[in-house]
Amino acid sequence: AQSVTQLGSHVSVSEGALVLLRCNYSSSVPPYLFWYVQYPNQGLQLLLKYTTGATLVKGINGFEAEFKKSETSFHLTKPSAHMSDAAEYFCAVRSGGYNKLIFGAGTRLAVHP
Amino acid sequence: DADVTQTPRNRITKTGKRIMLECSQTKGHDRMYWYRQDPGLGLQLIYYSFDVKDINKGEISDGYSVSRQAQAKFSLSLESAIPNQTALYFCATSDSPGVGQGSDTQYFGPGTRLTVL
Repeated sequence: AQSVTQLGSHVSVSEGALVLLRCNYSSSVPPYLFWYVQYPNQGLQLLLKYTTGATLVKGINGFEAEFKKSETSFHLTKPSAHMSDAAEYFCAVRSGGYNKLIFGAGTRLAVHP
Repeated sequence: DADVTQTPRNRITKTGKRIMLECSQTKGHDRMYWYRQDPGLGLQLIYYSFDVKDINKGEISDGYSVSRQAQAKFSLSLESAIPNQTALYFCATSDSPGVGQGSDTQYFGPGTRLTVL
C-alpha cells in the first residue's frame, strides 16, 4: 500500500531564505507524486507533479521538487522564500491505477520578515 | 467563475441531523471525489466516483453516503451527524486516464467547513 510521510508539521523561514519541505513515500509500483498548496480559507492547488521522465520537476511560483527513487523522497524546494509563500503544503502519491491520492499530513510554512 | 464549487461554504448543525453537502463542476471531468481534512491528518478520501454509475468507498466512508446526480454533480450526505464529523470537506475532480496530459491532476473546490454540535 502507498503512504506518504511529511517530516515537520511546521516550518518557519525568513524571507529570502531557502525553503525545504520534506516528503518521503512508500509505493509498491512506480509512483506518481504531487505537491499541493493550500492558502488560508482556500482549496488545494497543484504546485507540481512527477509522473515519468525528468526527475527534477519545476512548478509554479518558483518551486521545484526532485524525485529520488533510491531515497524514496520527493522534497519540495524554493531558493528564496517570499511572504506570499506562507501556506500549508501537502505531498501526495497516486494509489494504484485509479487516480486516488494518498496525502501526507501537511506542513505549514511560515515566512517571517 | 470557479470550475469546482461547493455549497454551503460553512454549516453548523446539531448531532443527529441529516446534512447534505453539494459539489458542482464545469470542467467536464468524469471523476469526482470527496475528502475530509482534519488538522494533522491531511486529507482522507471518503468516496469517489468514476462516472454517474460508478461509485466507490474510500478510506473513511462509514457514516457517509453519496449521490452522483449527473456528470457535473456529486453530493455528500451525513445521515445522522455526530461531533467527530466536524471537519473541512473538499470535493475534487479529475479527467479519466488517457484524456490529455492533465488526467492525473485533481482540481479542488474551496471546501465546506462543517461543525457538528
